[in-house]
Order: sequence, then structure tokens, then C-alpha cells
Amino acid sequence: TQLLEQSPQFLSIQEGENLTVYCNSSSVFSSLQWYRQEPGEGPVLLVTVVTGGEVKKLKRLTFQFGDARKDSSLHITAAQPGDTGLYLCAPPREDSNYQLIWGAGTKLIIKP
Amino acid sequence: NAGVTQTPKFQVLKTGQSMTLQCAQDMNHNSMYWYRQDPGMGLRLIYYSASEGTTDKGEVPNGYNVSRLNKREFSLRLESAAPSQTSVYFCASSRARVLYEQYFGPGTRLTVT
Repeated sequence: TQLLEQSPQFLSIQEGENLTVYCNSSSVFSSLQWYRQEPGEGPVLLVTVVTGGEVKKLKRLTFQFGDARKDSSLHITAAQPGDTGLYLCAPPREDSNYQLIWGAGTKLIIKP
Repeated sequence: NAGVTQTPKFQVLKTGQSMTLQCAQDMNHNSMYWYRQDPGMGLRLIYYSASEGTTDKGEVPNGYNVSRLNKREFSLRLESAAPSQTSVYFCASSRARVLYEQYFGPGTRLTVT
């Protein structure tokens, strides 16, 4: 069974601060996606990482895939209220060509 | 392009009633999915359709049925609603197996009393 853990579960910080959230597993993944879900909306894909050690940047968001492809992190620089949301990581299931494993997410609140 | 659309947005049912949740995508995607999302549990896959004409069970299929009506549309039916089916339901679609990237609709908030 592939298990996925996201930490922290909840984070509330002031605008302008930096933060990092994590996605960890004991399994090796071929790739991993990060989504953001705003209240009352469906998840929206932010990025897909594929190569071990890969770093991708999306404005103030930096995503990293672990060297061993078992974990990933999302770092936000100078957080803004618009970054508020539920951040979900999702690698593909090893026993299915079409299914993703979904973490429970990190609920992030950025206070103005 | 509208992307993925879902109807209705909200629904209240009594125990034992039936209903169908509708989903349509205009991105010419091959695969479509139905998820439910409950607090603290993440997204759980109910059913998926890898391509037009095929459907398969996900993690939590009991109490649900699906129909892939055509390439665009994928519906989810609750035959006899139960309070345990109170949840937010999301439809998603993806272009191909490569990278598995999924695009979600806005969700249907269902309450069963």
C-alpha cells in the first residue's frame, strides 16, 4: 500500500512570511503533482515534477522533487493572501495507469 | 472553453432518494473521474472512465453507478442516497495517461438527511 503524508496539516502565517510544506512517502514515484484548492472550488494543477532533484518555480512558489523521488516540498516566498488554500500533492499509483494517490493536504491561511 | 462543468452545484436529498450528478468537459480529454472529498480524508476516487465506452471502480464505488455517455459526458448516480454519502463530489478529466494531469470541475455539494 502506498501511503502519502503531507505536513503540516494546517498553517496560518502573516503576509510576507516564507513557508515550506512537505509531501512524504516511503514509496518511489515516477512523478508527482501539486494542486491548490481554494474554498468552494475544485483543485487546480500547479506543477508536475518528474526527475529526482528537479526544481520548478512558479512565480513565488518553488517546488522540489526529492533526489530519491520519495518526497517533495513546496516553498512559498513572501506569502500573500491570494496563496490561501488547500495544497495537495498527488503522485500516480504504481498499480494503476489512471489513478493518483491523494494526500490529505496542507490547509494554508495567509493573514493580511 | 468552459473546461469541466458540473451540475447541480448544491443538492439536498432525503435518505432513500436517488439523483444523478452530471459532468461534461470540452477539452477533448479521453479520461474522466468522479471523486468525493470529505474533511480530513483527501480526495477518494469513486469511479473512472479511461476512455469512451469503459468504466472502472475506484476506491469507494459502493452505492454509486456511472455512465460514460459519450466522450464529453460522465454522470454519477446515487440510487438510494444514505447520510454517509453527504460529501462534496468532484468530476475531473485528463488528456492522457502521461503525467496523469487532471482538471477539475467546481464540485457538487450534496447533503443527505
